[in-house]
Parts: sequence; structure tokens; C-alpha cells
Amino acid sequence: ILNVEQSPQSLHVQEGDSTNFTCSFPSSNFYALHWYRWETAKSPEALFVMTLNGDEKKKGRISATLNTKEGYSYLYIKGSQPEDSATYLCAFPNAGGTSYGKLTFGQGTILTVHP
Amino acid sequence: NAGVTQTPKFRILKIGQSMTLQCAQDMNHNYMYWYRQDPGMGLKLIYYSVGAGITDKGEVPNGYNVSRSTTEDFPLRLELAAPSQTSVYFCASWSSTDTQYFGPGTRLTVL
Repeated sequence: ILNVEQSPQSLHVQEGDSTNFTCSFPSSNFYALHWYRWETAKSPEALFVMTLNGDEKKKGRISATLNTKEGYSYLYIKGSQPEDSATYLCAFPNAGGTSYGKLTFGQGTILTVHP
Repeated sequence: NAGVTQTPKFRILKIGQSMTLQCAQDMNHNYMYWYRQDPGMGLKLIYYSVGAGITDKGEVPNGYNVSRSTTEDFPLRLELAAPSQTSVYFCASWSSTDTQYFGPGTRLTVL
């Protein structure tokens, strides 16, 4: 069973604050790391797929970095807005063996941005 | 492309009833998944499939069955509904070179 951990579990920030949270994953047999944004009462929406060590991806005010050697990825939100309030999930696909194709999700970081 | 579609959106079942949650995707993805989301919890994998005719159990398969007769469809069957199966169910598909695409979810209540 793969262990994918996210921290913190929840985060409250004020509008305009920048924030970041972490996803930790097994550093061996790395294939890719996914980030998703999940708003209440909706389905998870893909943010990034990260595949290379040192990768940095950006989408508007949201960016992510990847360190495959030490097994972590950071998600950053610059100038948080109330509409950024959501659960942010990372997922780690099994790289091989009989479990190939199975993604292990972290528990998520619940972000609340207060106006 | 419709992406991943799920039906129904909502359903209330009585204990012991059975039903099938439908999931279809039109992106020709080999991999399909069923997850459940319980309050305060993340996504738990119920079953997944790596291609037509191939299915495998996830973390919480008890009380469910699946089949994958075509690439497009991946129905989830509940045989004897129990209150513990009250949840929101998400179907997803994946091509292995992209992200997972999720359906809109089915909210199921078992009374």
C-alpha cells in the first residue's frame, strides 16, 4: 500500500495571503504526481500532472513544484481569493506491477479563504 | 466530448434493494475507476479496470461488483444496499499520459 500524505489537513487564510501545502509520496518507482482541486458538491478537477524532478508548473495564481528524489511536491497559491476555497488533492499512480493504473490519493488539504 | 458521465445523479434506496450506477466515457481511456467519498474523508477506491474485460478490487470493494464489457462503460452494482453505502460515488477515467477525469458524481442514500 502506497503512502501519500498531505499537510496540513486544513488551512484558513485571509484574502490576499499567499499559501502553500505539501504532498509527500514514495520516492522509489516514481511515475507521475497529480494535483486536483475539489470544490464542495462538485467533482475533482485536474490542476497539474508532474513527471520530472525539478518540474514547476503554473496555472494562473497556482503553481506546483516537484522533488522526486526526496518525495515531495508543493502547491502554492499566490494572493488567495475566496473562490480558491476547496480541497486540494494529490495522487500518485502506481508505477508498475499488478497495481499499474491505480492511483493513490492523499487525504487532501482543505483550504478556506476568508474575505 | 461529453467526458465522463454518470447516472443517476441522486438516488434513495431502501435497505436490501439493489441498483446499478452507470458510468460512461467517450475519450477511449483504458483505465476506469469507482471511488466513494464519505463525509470528512478523502476518496476511497472501490474497484478499477485497466481495460475491457479486466477489473480489480480497490480499498473498499465489499458490497459492490463491477463489469467492463466495453471500453466505454464501467457500471457499479450494489446487490444488497446497506446504510454504510450511503455516500457520493465518483467514476473516473485515465489514459496514463494525462490526469484522471471525474464524472459529476452520484449521491446515494440508503435508508
